[in-house]
Amino acid sequence: AQKVTQAQTEISVVEKEDVTLDCVYETRDTTYYLFWYKQPPSGELVFLIRRNSFDEQNEISGRYSWNFQKSTSSFNFTITASQVVDSAVYFCALSEGSGANSKLTFGKGITLSVRP
Amino acid sequence: DSGVTQTPKHLITATGQRVTLRCSPRSGDLSVYWYQQSLDQGLQFLIQYYNGEERAKGNILERFSAQQFPDLHSELNLSSLELGDSALYFCASSFGQGAFKTEAFFGQGTRLTVV
Repeated sequence: AQKVTQAQTEISVVEKEDVTLDCVYETRDTTYYLFWYKQPPSGELVFLIRRNSFDEQNEISGRYSWNFQKSTSSFNFTITASQVVDSAVYFCALSEGSGANSKLTFGKGITLSVRP
Repeated sequence: DSGVTQTPKHLITATGQRVTLRCSPRSGDLSVYWYQQSLDQGLQFLIQYYNGEERAKGNILERFSAQQFPDLHSELNLSSLELGDSALYFCASSFGQGAFKTEAFFGQGTRLTVV
């Protein structure tokens, strides 16, 4: 069965600090997809990134970067120079490659607070 | 704006009642997924429909049911409501059958409060 672990529950940083959110996953499939979503206080789930299991290249999008390491089954998310608007709950999710199992399995989420 | 529309945004109802939550997927998306977010269970997959047919089922209670209509909008019906059903219910849509094929975009959710 697939599983996503976000061991950090709450992180508090001061604006402009860098912060890394950890995500560890478990799956038996060789083909799978990893996601990060942001849930701001308003409640909606905002898609941030999707990465497939065959692409281990790190990705950077502005202040956001993702480090995917299959050897450690981790897909960590770093926010550089954090801002107050980054305050939200961040979820890591996994979808296995089997067509019969298309659901997203979410971690418990990490509450990030960025203080001015 | 994700393009996925959920109505209503908030719903307050009494125990034992029945409610219907509605979801309109993004234009062109054929799959609709329903998720429940509660404080104790986190985000849990309930059910998926693809082009009108049920494709995958999660830990959905027998008191809950869903369907997807020919115009691809979906409804989640919750009956004999209990206090523990209070949660944020999300709908997501994607083009393909599997969330892994494309990004899954979520609606803003319906917050259900059972009193």
